[in-house]
Amino acid sequence: GAVVSQHPSWVICKSGTSVKIECRSLDFQATTMFWYRQFPKQSLMLMATSNEGSKATYEQGVEKDKFLINHASLTLSTLTVTSAHPEDSSFYICSARREERYNSPLHFGNGTRLTVT
Amino acid sequence: GENVEQHPSTLSVQEGDSAVIKCTYSDSASNYFPWYKQELGKRPQLIIDIRSNVGEKKDQRIAVTLNKTAKHFSLHITETQPEDSAVYFCAASILTGGFKTIFGAGTRLFVKA
Repeated sequence: GAVVSQHPSWVICKSGTSVKIECRSLDFQATTMFWYRQFPKQSLMLMATSNEGSKATYEQGVEKDKFLINHASLTLSTLTVTSAHPEDSSFYICSARREERYNSPLHFGNGTRLTVT
Repeated sequence: GENVEQHPSTLSVQEGDSAVIKCTYSDSASNYFPWYKQELGKRPQLIIDIRSNVGEKKDQRIAVTLNKTAKHFSLHITETQPEDSAVYFCAASILTGGFKTIFGAGTRLFVKA
Protein backbone atom coordinates (compact mmCIF):
# COMPACT_ATOMS: atom_id res chain seq x y z
CA GLY A 1 0.00 0.00 0.00
CA ALA A 2 0.85 3.68 -0.07
CA VAL A 3 3.57 4.74 2.33
CA VAL A 4 4.05 8.17 3.83
CA SER A 5 7.21 8.75 5.80
CA GLN A 6 7.64 11.50 8.38
CA HIS A 7 10.80 12.62 10.11
CA PRO A 8 11.71 13.09 12.88
CA SER A 9 9.36 10.94 14.94
CA TRP A 10 10.04 13.06 17.99
CA VAL A 11 11.91 16.24 18.80
CA ILE A 12 12.60 18.30 21.89
CA CYS A 13 13.58 21.90 21.40
CA LYS A 14 14.02 25.02 23.45
CA SER A 15 11.56 27.85 23.38
CA GLY A 16 12.34 30.33 20.62
CA THR A 17 14.02 27.88 18.27
CA SER A 18 12.66 26.52 15.00
CA VAL A 19 11.94 22.93 14.09
CA LYS A 20 11.55 21.41 10.64
CA ILE A 21 9.44 18.32 10.00
CA GLU A 22 9.64 16.41 6.74
CA CYS A 23 6.89 14.43 5.08
CA ARG A 24 7.64 12.17 2.13
CA SER A 25 5.46 10.05 -0.10
CA LEU A 26 7.63 7.01 -0.77
CA ASP A 27 5.86 5.19 -3.56
CA PHE A 28 3.63 7.77 -5.16
CA GLN A 29 3.63 11.41 -6.13
CA ALA A 30 1.47 13.88 -4.28
CA THR A 31 0.68 17.35 -5.54
CA THR A 32 -1.21 17.92 -2.33
CA MET A 33 -0.33 16.98 1.24
CA PHE A 34 -2.15 17.80 4.44
CA TRP A 35 -0.73 18.77 7.81
CA TYR A 36 -2.68 17.98 10.96
CA ARG A 37 -2.05 18.68 14.62
CA GLN A 38 -3.30 16.49 17.41
CA PHE A 39 -3.26 17.48 21.07
CA PRO A 40 -3.45 14.69 23.68
CA LYS A 41 -6.76 12.87 23.62
CA GLN A 42 -8.11 15.20 20.97
CA SER A 43 -8.98 14.99 17.33
CA LEU A 44 -6.90 15.60 14.23
CA MET A 45 -7.14 19.28 13.40
CA LEU A 46 -6.30 20.29 9.86
CA MET A 47 -3.68 23.02 9.89
CA ALA A 48 -2.97 23.53 6.22
CA THR A 49 -2.99 22.07 2.75
CA SER A 50 0.43 21.89 1.16
CA ASN A 51 0.41 22.45 -2.60
CA GLU A 52 3.36 21.45 -4.77
CA GLY A 53 4.86 24.47 -6.48
CA SER A 54 2.55 27.02 -4.89
CA LYS A 55 1.61 28.52 -1.57
CA ALA A 56 0.04 26.46 1.14
CA THR A 57 -3.57 27.02 2.12
CA TYR A 58 -3.97 27.57 5.84
CA GLU A 59 -7.02 26.89 7.94
CA GLN A 60 -8.61 29.67 9.90
CA GLY A 61 -6.69 30.47 13.06
CA VAL A 62 -3.40 28.94 11.90
CA GLU A 63 -0.58 31.47 11.60
CA LYS A 64 1.14 31.07 8.26
CA ASP A 65 4.22 32.95 9.41
CA LYS A 66 4.63 30.63 12.36
CA PHE A 67 4.00 27.36 10.54
CA LEU A 68 5.96 27.59 7.32
CA ILE A 69 5.12 25.01 4.70
CA ASN A 70 7.20 24.21 1.67
CA HIS A 71 6.22 21.66 -0.97
CA ALA A 72 9.15 21.81 -3.32
CA SER A 73 8.72 18.45 -5.01
CA LEU A 74 6.02 15.91 -5.72
CA THR A 75 7.24 13.69 -2.90
CA LEU A 76 8.28 16.10 -0.16
CA SER A 77 6.53 18.63 2.01
CA THR A 78 8.10 20.30 5.03
CA LEU A 79 6.56 22.04 8.01
CA THR A 80 8.73 24.44 9.98
CA VAL A 81 7.53 25.58 13.37
CA THR A 82 9.23 28.92 13.85
CA SER A 83 10.00 30.48 17.22
CA ALA A 84 8.44 27.53 18.97
CA HIS A 85 6.77 27.99 22.35
CA PRO A 86 5.56 25.43 24.89
CA GLU A 87 1.99 25.77 23.64
CA ASP A 88 3.19 24.48 20.25
CA SER A 89 3.99 21.14 21.86
CA SER A 90 1.80 18.64 20.07
CA PHE A 91 1.68 15.68 17.71
CA TYR A 92 2.09 16.85 14.13
CA ILE A 93 1.10 14.42 11.41
CA CYS A 94 1.09 14.71 7.65
CA SER A 95 -0.98 12.86 5.11
CA ALA A 96 -1.44 12.44 1.39
CA ARG A 97 -3.60 10.65 -1.11
CA ARG A 98 -2.21 8.14 -3.55
CA GLU A 99 -4.85 9.28 -6.02
CA GLU A 100 -5.70 12.93 -6.48
CA ARG A 101 -9.41 12.48 -5.85
CA TYR A 102 -11.40 13.76 -2.90
CA ASN A 103 -12.87 10.30 -2.41
CA SER A 104 -9.53 8.57 -2.11
CA PRO A 105 -8.30 7.73 1.41
CA LEU A 106 -5.63 9.68 3.22
CA HIS A 107 -2.44 7.86 4.13
CA PHE A 108 -0.74 9.21 7.23
CA GLY A 109 2.86 9.54 8.24
CA ASN A 110 3.95 8.23 11.63
CA GLY A 111 3.69 11.67 13.14
CA THR A 112 6.17 13.90 14.97
CA ARG A 113 5.85 14.50 18.67
CA LEU A 114 7.15 18.00 19.36
CA THR A 115 8.02 19.05 22.88
CA VAL A 116 9.06 22.65 23.47
CA THR A 117 10.76 23.32 26.77
CA GLY B 1 -16.94 25.06 6.43
CA GLU B 2 -17.51 21.42 7.19
CA ASN B 3 -18.13 20.33 10.77
CA VAL B 4 -18.21 16.71 11.86
CA GLU B 5 -19.70 15.67 15.18
CA GLN B 6 -19.06 12.26 16.67
CA HIS B 7 -20.70 10.35 19.52
CA PRO B 8 -20.07 8.88 21.96
CA SER B 9 -16.70 10.15 23.10
CA THR B 10 -16.12 6.97 25.10
CA LEU B 11 -17.62 3.54 24.62
CA SER B 12 -17.05 0.48 26.76
CA VAL B 13 -18.36 -2.91 25.66
CA GLN B 14 -17.94 -6.51 26.68
CA GLU B 15 -15.98 -8.76 24.36
CA GLY B 16 -18.31 -10.24 21.78
CA ASP B 17 -20.82 -7.42 21.94
CA SER B 18 -21.39 -4.88 19.19
CA ALA B 19 -20.19 -1.29 19.17
CA VAL B 20 -21.83 1.57 17.31
CA ILE B 21 -20.35 5.00 16.72
CA LYS B 22 -22.38 7.77 15.12
CA CYS B 23 -21.35 10.89 13.22
CA THR B 24 -23.12 13.81 11.63
CA TYR B 25 -21.77 16.31 9.15
CA SER B 26 -22.87 19.77 8.17
CA ASP B 27 -21.84 20.32 4.56
CA SER B 28 -24.08 18.60 2.03
CA ALA B 29 -21.23 18.82 -0.49
CA SER B 30 -19.30 16.16 1.43
CA ASN B 31 -19.29 12.94 -0.54
CA TYR B 32 -16.72 10.64 0.99
CA PHE B 33 -16.69 9.32 4.54
CA PRO B 34 -13.71 7.34 5.82
CA TRP B 35 -13.24 5.82 9.25
CA TYR B 36 -9.86 5.60 10.92
CA LYS B 37 -8.55 3.62 13.88
CA GLN B 38 -5.74 5.09 15.93
CA GLU B 39 -3.83 3.20 18.57
CA LEU B 40 -1.92 5.09 21.23
CA GLY B 41 1.02 7.02 19.79
CA LYS B 42 0.51 5.65 16.29
CA ARG B 43 -0.75 6.94 12.99
CA PRO B 44 -4.43 6.70 12.08
CA GLN B 45 -5.20 3.70 9.88
CA LEU B 46 -8.11 3.52 7.46
CA ILE B 47 -10.49 0.72 8.39
CA ILE B 48 -13.42 1.34 6.06
CA ASP B 49 -14.85 4.08 3.90
CA ILE B 50 -18.08 4.82 2.10
CA ARG B 51 -18.92 7.00 -0.84
CA SER B 52 -22.07 9.01 -1.26
CA ASN B 53 -23.60 6.76 -3.88
CA VAL B 54 -23.70 3.85 -1.43
CA GLY B 55 -25.92 3.45 1.64
CA GLU B 56 -24.09 0.64 3.35
CA LYS B 57 -20.77 -1.15 3.14
CA LYS B 58 -19.49 -4.14 5.06
CA ASP B 59 -16.07 -5.67 5.56
CA GLN B 60 -16.09 -8.73 7.81
CA ARG B 61 -16.95 -7.49 11.33
CA ILE B 62 -17.07 -3.84 10.33
CA ALA B 63 -19.91 -2.07 8.58
CA VAL B 64 -20.71 1.54 7.82
CA THR B 65 -24.05 3.09 6.95
CA LEU B 66 -24.71 6.45 5.37
CA ASN B 67 -27.88 8.53 5.32
CA LYS B 68 -27.21 11.51 3.05
CA THR B 69 -30.63 13.03 3.60
CA ALA B 70 -30.08 13.22 7.35
CA LYS B 71 -26.34 13.82 6.93
CA HIS B 72 -25.27 11.13 9.29
CA PHE B 73 -23.20 7.97 9.09
CA SER B 74 -22.37 5.22 11.53
CA LEU B 75 -19.74 2.60 12.20
CA HIS B 76 -20.79 -0.81 13.45
CA ILE B 77 -18.33 -3.33 14.86
CA THR B 78 -19.73 -6.76 15.63
CA GLU B 79 -18.22 -9.50 17.79
CA THR B 80 -15.80 -7.05 19.34
CA GLN B 81 -12.39 -8.25 20.50
CA PRO B 82 -9.90 -6.70 22.93
CA GLU B 83 -7.67 -5.73 20.02
CA ASP B 84 -10.46 -3.52 18.74
CA SER B 85 -9.74 -1.20 21.67
CA ALA B 86 -8.50 2.08 20.20
CA VAL B 87 -9.68 5.54 19.23
CA TYR B 88 -11.92 5.66 16.18
CA PHE B 89 -12.37 8.77 14.06
CA CYS B 90 -15.01 9.45 11.48
CA ALA B 91 -14.28 11.97 8.76
CA ALA B 92 -15.90 13.76 5.86
CA SER B 93 -14.15 14.72 2.67
CA ILE B 94 -15.39 17.59 0.59
CA LEU B 95 -14.93 18.05 -3.13
CA THR B 96 -14.39 21.78 -2.92
CA GLY B 97 -11.72 23.62 -0.98
CA GLY B 98 -8.78 21.46 -1.96
CA PHE B 99 -10.23 18.05 -1.11
CA LYS B 100 -10.01 18.64 2.62
CA THR B 101 -10.85 15.91 5.09
CA ILE B 102 -12.36 16.99 8.38
CA PHE B 103 -12.34 14.65 11.36
CA GLY B 104 -14.76 14.05 14.18
CA ALA B 105 -13.64 14.34 17.79
CA GLY B 106 -13.00 10.62 18.13
CA THR B 107 -14.46 7.75 20.16
CA ARG B 108 -12.34 5.88 22.64
CA LEU B 109 -13.49 2.25 22.50
CA PHE B 110 -12.70 -0.13 25.33
CA VAL B 111 -13.42 -3.82 24.80
CA LYS B 112 -13.38 -5.71 28.07
CA ALA B 113 -12.31 -9.32 28.01
